[in-house]
Amino acid sequence: EDKVVQSPLSLVVHEGDTVTLNCSYEVTNFRSLLWYKQEKKAPTFLFMLTSSGIEKKSGRLSSILDKKELSSILNITATQTGDSAIYLCAVSPQTGANNLFFGTGTRLTVIP
Amino acid sequence: NAGVMQNPRHLVRRRGQEARLRCSPMKGHSHVYWYRQLPEEGLKFMVYLQKENIIDESGMPKERFSAEFPKEGPSILRIQQVVRGDSAAYFCASSPSGTEQYFGPGTRLTVT
Repeated sequence: EDKVVQSPLSLVVHEGDTVTLNCSYEVTNFRSLLWYKQEKKAPTFLFMLTSSGIEKKSGRLSSILDKKELSSILNITATQTGDSAIYLCAVSPQTGANNLFFGTGTRLTVIP
Repeated sequence: NAGVMQNPRHLVRRRGQEARLRCSPMKGHSHVYWYRQLPEEGLKFMVYLQKENIIDESGMPKERFSAEFPKEGPSILRIQQVVRGDSAAYFCASSPSGTEQYFGPGTRLTVT
């Protein structure tokens, strides 16, 4: 069965710290891996990764995929209290449906 | 371009009643996905629809749950004869082409 595992489950850091969130997956016929940020409401799309070794960046956030290791990391530099959220990793298999398999997320808390 | 809209945001039903959850995708998006998030669990895929067609309902419980996406109007997720175990957050996502998915704010269903 397709599976996505995220670590750590939760993380508490101080403002200004750099954090690395991990996602590993087992999926039949991998198509893409996606990262979302979930605060109190809708998961907000961050990145979609399809190719190994190519870093995607958006401001202080960046992510990279390693297809050989079946994993991805999400980095956040110079963290701010507004980064506090649950970060979700999801993978999409190479099927017609393109439904997403989600991990349970990493809960990040940034304290001032 | 308004985001994915869901209503109601909160819904309370007694056991045995019906729940109807609505989702209006982003403009120009013809792919709709429904996910369920139980407390302390990750998002779980339920069903994938395109206009007037159910493409994949492999994540839907076999009984009491149904979904539609008519030619006109929002997508509807219907839960008949609700039970306490149906209490969850139900998220809808839309996609322009079946790649990255954009989520709505969710409907929190509480069954009393």
